[in-house]
Amino acid sequence: GQSLEQPSEVTAVEGAIVQINCTYQTSGFYGLSWYQQHDGGAPTFLSYNALDGLEETGRFSSFLSRSDSYGYLLLQELQMKDSASYFCAVSGYSTLTFGKGTMLLVSP
Amino acid sequence: DGGITQSPKYLFRKEGQNVTLSCEQNLNHDAMYWYRQDPGQGLRLIYYSQIVNDFQKGDIAEGYSVSREKKESFPLTVTSAQKNPTAFYLCASSIDRAPQPQHFGDGTRLSIL
Repeated sequence: GQSLEQPSEVTAVEGAIVQINCTYQTSGFYGLSWYQQHDGGAPTFLSYNALDGLEETGRFSSFLSRSDSYGYLLLQELQMKDSASYFCAVSGYSTLTFGKGTMLLVSP
Repeated sequence: DGGITQSPKYLFRKEGQNVTLSCEQNLNHDAMYWYRQDPGQGLRLIYYSQIVNDFQKGDIAEGYSVSREKKESFPLTVTSAQKNPTAFYLCASSIDRAPQPQHFGDGTRLSIL
């Protein structure tokens, strides 16, 4: 089977940097994805790491270490609109397996 | 604009009733997925389809059924056998058989009357 662990909640202030960690146990691993979901809304794709290292997309970066079964999402210059839930997801050959999500609360 | 349309936005089910949730995409994506999300939980895969007239069970398929008669459409039926159907249901698609990135609809919230 597959399992993912990520913190349930993280708090930060505007302008700060926050890191959301994700550890996983899985078979048939192809990569790690990150999705953002605002309350009651549709999840949106943020990033995908198939190889070890850091991927940067604007204020967001994602990191993967396959040997450690570990990844993280880094959010810089936090804005109020970044308050949302963030899900890591392990990509298998045909499907994604999602973690339970991390709720990020950004305060002024 | 291309996207995924789910309907209805809210749905109420009576005891013993089957209900069908609609999912239509105009992205020309091959693969489509149905997820269930409970409060404070992640997304759990119900069914997925990589090609017309073919679909596979996900992790929690019991009490659900699907069809894929057209590339654009992947309806989900919540049957009376699903004893705890109250949840947020999300439909997604991906361009080919690789499961990411996935594009999601706005969801259907199903409740029991």
